[in-house]
Amino acid sequence: DAGVIQSPRHEVTEMGQEVTLRCKPISGHDYLFWYRQTMMRGLELLIYFNNNVPIDDSGMPEDRFSAKMPNASFSTLKIQPSEPRDSAVYFCASSSPVTPLHFGNGTRLTVT
Amino acid sequence: RKEVEQDPGPFNVPEGATVAFNCTYSNSASQSFFWYRQDCRKEPKLLMSVYSSGNEDGRFTAQLNRASQYISLLIRDSKLSDSATYLCVVVDRGSTLGRLYFGRGTQLTVWP
Repeated sequence: DAGVIQSPRHEVTEMGQEVTLRCKPISGHDYLFWYRQTMMRGLELLIYFNNNVPIDDSGMPEDRFSAKMPNASFSTLKIQPSEPRDSAVYFCASSSPVTPLHFGNGTRLTVT
Repeated sequence: RKEVEQDPGPFNVPEGATVAFNCTYSNSASQSFFWYRQDCRKEPKLLMSVYSSGNEDGRFTAQLNRASQYISLLIRDSKLSDSATYLCVVVDRGSTLGRLYFGRGTQLTVWP
């Protein structure tokens, strides 16, 4: 199994631009999570899906953030417009009720 | 009060030393507990689950104290390769998967 696959690995963009992060979960995992990690705040859960349906999006910072999961093998996290304070490492993770959380390699986002 | 609290460290120990980390949690109804390891600029990876009776995996021992609401991780005979950040994870009761809470992590450096 290739594990959770995220793209891009690094993203540098200017303030105001749209950013789209992508994730392919492990096949057979029916839960998908988006986390953000910063030095100041640690790992924060942004949103998670079960069977492609968003279950808890209370961690999404504001309307500039949106996430979709159109099918069981793909999810996106979009930031529009991006701001410098969005700079962080964004992790996607997947699991099932009987398997632990597996993280992707993360996307390191820098907004200048 | 944060759901999960950890001493951020850093812990700096020589090879061969024994080191212990604690993690406290605020919700007495928490259901499951894990330790994750995160290397610098990498994703978190599951180290071990924590069972009520305590459990060992080689040089690593995890324990749970429900009365005092803390979990611990003991590393014996530290190796240079143990240098990493150790994150405790607490899962709340109440949903199919549960709501996961990550601690901020404890940084360990093992020196030769």
